[in-house]
Amino acid sequence: GQNIDQPTEMTATEGAIVQINCTYQTSGFNGLFWYQQHAGEAPTFLSYNVLDGLEEKGRFSSFLSRSKGYSYLLLKELQMKDSASYLCAVRFYSPSGTYKYIFGTGTRLKVLA
Amino acid sequence: DGGITQSPKYLFRKEGQNVTLSCEQNLNHDAMYWYRQDPGQGLRLIYYSQIVNDFQKGDIAEGYSVSREKKESFPLTVTSAQKNPTAFYLCASRSRDRGYGYTFGSGTRLTVV
Repeated sequence: GQNIDQPTEMTATEGAIVQINCTYQTSGFNGLFWYQQHAGEAPTFLSYNVLDGLEEKGRFSSFLSRSKGYSYLLLKELQMKDSASYLCAVRFYSPSGTYKYIFGTGTRLKVLA
Repeated sequence: DGGITQSPKYLFRKEGQNVTLSCEQNLNHDAMYWYRQDPGQGLRLIYYSQIVNDFQKGDIAEGYSVSREKKESFPLTVTSAQKNPTAFYLCASRSRDRGYGYTFGSGTRLTVV
């Protein structure tokens, strides 16, 4: 079956670097997404990886290893506003001939002053 | 600016009552989705629509219904058959460009009273 795992909670200090891991087991893998979700709000798109390697976008970077079924989101120079949940999602090509998505439960990041 | 509008933000339902959640987008996206978010669980797909006048059941469609009469609109009805409707409901749309993830609405929090 399809499965995604990510840690439930993490804590880090303002100004530090934090890495949020995501492991997945899917067949028909077709891309991995990271979203940020502040409490009570909608998720917002952060990054997309479909090939192995690192994608960098300002303070945020995302890495993918398809052979290991592994991704991480790296947040640098942490700010208080980065306190949020971070959702990992995988798109896969289903046997029915359509693309489908599976979401992890999210990692709640708390940034401390 | 383009986006997705969900209304209402908060909704209270009595036992045995049907309620309809509104979702409107002006992004010109063909595909629209309804997800349900519960604490400690990943987003779960209720229904999705790839084009007007067509929609498909997701993983947890029982007790829900949708319509897609216009490209911009994808309302969700939570019927009395849904036994545990209290949740945060997210509407999303997606560009054809596979490098872009979902754009989510701000969500509707439904509570049964």
